[in-house]
Amino acid sequence: GESVGLHLPTLSVQEGDNSIINCAYSNSASDYFIWYKQESGKGPQFIIDIRSNMDKRQGQRVTVLLNKTVKHLSLQIAATQPGDSAVYFCAENEPGGGADGLTFGKGTHLIIQP
Amino acid sequence: KAGVTQTPRYLIKTRGQQVTLSCSPISGHRSVSWYQQTPGQGLQFLFEYFSETQRNKGNFPGRFSGRQFSNSRSEMNVSTLELGDSALYLCASSFRGWKTEAFFGQGTRLTVV
Repeated sequence: GESVGLHLPTLSVQEGDNSIINCAYSNSASDYFIWYKQESGKGPQFIIDIRSNMDKRQGQRVTVLLNKTVKHLSLQIAATQPGDSAVYFCAENEPGGGADGLTFGKGTHLIIQP
Repeated sequence: KAGVTQTPRYLIKTRGQQVTLSCSPISGHRSVSWYQQTPGQGLQFLFEYFSETQRNKGNFPGRFSGRQFSNSRSEMNVSTLELGDSALYLCASSFRGWKTEAFFGQGTRLTVV
């Protein structure tokens, strides 16, 4: 079943502002998390990943925060640009079980207002 | 460096038919994973192949199968197509597989009529 999700389906921010996209996961055994960006008509594009032994990881204009206590993952995008408009997916790797693979959330549509 | 290539980009099939989709990973990548994306269910993992062996499998019926060749290219087959199989099928390649960065292709849009 769906173990990653519960998020705002659409998030609208002003160009230049920071945006935060949230994601909740339910499996405390998950040990790897990824954020993907998907633009219309394209496949998902890797943004950043984080392992469960970390609580923060930074990339270029993006930061992922992992709070294992409340099983929450967030993606922060600094100084948003028009090109950041896309659907953002979080995914977790649930070790073991019948399908040892990535489980994706339904996604959050980020809209950048000019 | 060429990205992940999926062919065909678009496909229309009739219920009951079978279909084969192809994925060419990034050169040097040995892991290929397949996903189904639909508006209702989102992205769902189908299976992963690594060095010609299926390493992981999602919760899909046996009508969905795949294989990987010695050059890491992978094919996915769906037999006895159903209307609900209409979806975007995505392939992702990575160097080592799970828990490492994966690169997606643009997908094959399958419509079953």
